[in-house]
Amino acid sequence: GGIITQTPKFLIGQEGQKLTLKCQQNFNHDTMYWYRQDSGKGLRLIYYSITENDLQKGDLSEGYDASREKKSSFSLTVTSAQKNEMAVFLCASSMSGANQDTQYFGPGTRLLVL
Amino acid sequence: GQQVKQSSPSLTVQEGGILILNCDYENDMFDYFAWYKKYPDNSPTLLISVRSNVDKREDGRFTVFLNKSGKHFSLHITASQPEDTAVYLCAAGINQGGSAKLIFGEGTKLTVSS
Repeated sequence: GGIITQTPKFLIGQEGQKLTLKCQQNFNHDTMYWYRQDSGKGLRLIYYSITENDLQKGDLSEGYDASREKKSSFSLTVTSAQKNEMAVFLCASSMSGANQDTQYFGPGTRLLVL
Repeated sequence: GQQVKQSSPSLTVQEGGILILNCDYENDMFDYFAWYKKYPDNSPTLLISVRSNVDKREDGRFTVFLNKSGKHFSLHITASQPEDTAVYLCAAGINQGGSAKLIFGEGTKLTVSS
């Protein structure tokens, strides 16, 4: 088994602030993902990475940056927080190979921008 | 536009009943289809998935049906139980580059009443 941890659990920011969310996994998975969850909109892919130092844009990459520093960690940066923004950011990972498609999700970071 | 769409935001069923959750998709290159289950304040977990080379997969009370020509897949749940109450997210993806980039639907909130 393995686990995905996300820090912080809650993040309160100010408008215009640059905010960084972190994700670690010990599954030894190759691929990691960042999703944004808004009420009534399901999960939208921001960035994903298929290996260390790789970065692929998702559908919602504008306004975000990401970095895959090493295989086990993937960080997401909100480049300029929007006033009254409220969302949950979910990190996930999946293994390459026969079971590559199952994604395992972390507990989420809840963002509120004042 | 929304590439993967769940037409019912919510559904209620009596305990013991049969229910069907539906998902439509636009991209006929999708070759992997999944249903994820999410309890309140928890992360999504994979419930059942199917690849495009089959049109049905059964796992206990859960069956996914794939209709490729209609670009539609569904989740059938039999003998529904109160613990099935959750949000169900459908997802579809294309396997490329060694990982599956999944596109999620908006979710259907299921309530099983006892």
